[in-house]
Amino acid sequence: GESVGLHLPTLSVQEGDNSIINCAYSNSASDYFIWYKQESGKGPQFIIDIRSNMDKRQGQRVTVLLNKTVKHLSLQIAATQPGDSAVYFCAEKMAGGFKTIFGAGTRLFVKA
Amino acid sequence: EAGVAQSPRYKIIEKRQSVAFWCNPISGHATLYWYQQILGQGPKLLIQFQNNGVVDDSQLPKDRFSAERLKGVDSTLKIQPAKLEDSAVYLCASSWGPDNEQFFGPGTRLTVL
Repeated sequence: GESVGLHLPTLSVQEGDNSIINCAYSNSASDYFIWYKQESGKGPQFIIDIRSNMDKRQGQRVTVLLNKTVKHLSLQIAATQPGDSAVYFCAEKMAGGFKTIFGAGTRLFVKA
Repeated sequence: EAGVAQSPRYKIIEKRQSVAFWCNPISGHATLYWYQQILGQGPKLLIQFQNNGVVDDSQLPKDRFSAERLKGVDSTLKIQPAKLEDSAVYLCASSWGPDNEQFFGPGTRLTVL
């Protein structure tokens, strides 16, 4: 079936640098995309979302970019901090459906 | 505002035994979700409730898994009998509605020996 995947399982960045986490999705009918952060021993936490009628959305230190042409989603974290170390998941919801489908995740390591 | 509560946090059982997990969603949230998260993977939806009705249970292994939300608030997820491959973290989440932000609990880590 359709699924959300990620390009890299692990990303290591220097504290203060910008991080970019990528995600590919395969279902062109997906309408809504979400990025989650999951710290060890905790449940996923919502970071930012974007609908398919947008190509960019900004939050506090985070930006999500959506390229529908190549079915690609990215999460940019500015001035990465040690507290950003976690696993990041992209997720998608299909138009007209309720189910959220998660990708496998990317582990972000922040080096001090 | 209190978050989603789950118990127990950890459970170790032997295969073929039974186990139950409990979830208390955020007050007022009508939609409740149970996810299974196998190590190294993203969460997979098992079942979704809207109040006390099931919206989606297409990925719930119904021969061994069951879930209920009788009064539209708390929910329990049961596995009977457990298999080795059921070892995972079971996450409960809730939201105001099916199109609203989901809030996750800390999960129950199940180990089946």
